[in-house]
Amino acid sequence: GENVEQHPSTLSVQEGDSAVIKCTYSDSASNYFPWYKQELGKGPQLIIDIRSNVGEKKDQRIAVTLNKTAKHFSLHITETQPEDSAVYFCSCNSGGSNYKLTFGKGTLLTVNP
Amino acid sequence: DTAVSQTPKYLVTQMGNDKSIKCEQNLGHDTMYWYKQDSKKFLKIMFSYNNKELIINETVPNRFSPKSPDKAHLNLHINSLELGDSAVYFCASSPLDREGEAFFGQGTRLTVV
Repeated sequence: GENVEQHPSTLSVQEGDSAVIKCTYSDSASNYFPWYKQELGKGPQLIIDIRSNVGEKKDQRIAVTLNKTAKHFSLHITETQPEDSAVYFCSCNSGGSNYKLTFGKGTLLTVNP
Repeated sequence: DTAVSQTPKYLVTQMGNDKSIKCEQNLGHDTMYWYKQDSKKFLKIMFSYNNKELIINETVPNRFSPKSPDKAHLNLHINSLELGDSAVYFCASSPLDREGEAFFGQGTRLTVV
């Protein structure tokens, strides 16, 4: 089955700095890669996604990159703010089926004011 | 408000009991899910339903039985609760043809004592 590795498990940055979270996946059939943000006591929320036909996607301060050959994808947050503090999960669709997302183990991002 | 809502938010019960968690979405989505998040924040899919039909059953014990009376509801019934069932259970839904874009509920924290 699909295996998604996510690093680092914790990340602490100063406000205004950039944060990068990296993931690798094993299933070459995966073609959809969403990122979720989970704030304390809440459910995960989709923040950005990328499909396998593009290498990069940007939405304001967040961007995702995808290297299908290497089976790597990354989340980049620029100009971090305290409200960016949360757990971030990468995920991908297993076997190319959008009915099953496999998640990484999460990254706890702390943005220090 | 448009949302995925699940009840109860907290559930404390004794081992051996049977309990249910209810989920409703008013987003008009065709696909609904149950996910389990353990104490280490690891998020894993349990079930996927599309238009009331079971699509994914991710080797969950038979004690867990989802029921979808209509495509806006997906309830989870758990028999003979065990200590290891303690976790946060998330219901989610996603739109047709964008099944990977999941909208999560707030979660139900189940504690088995």
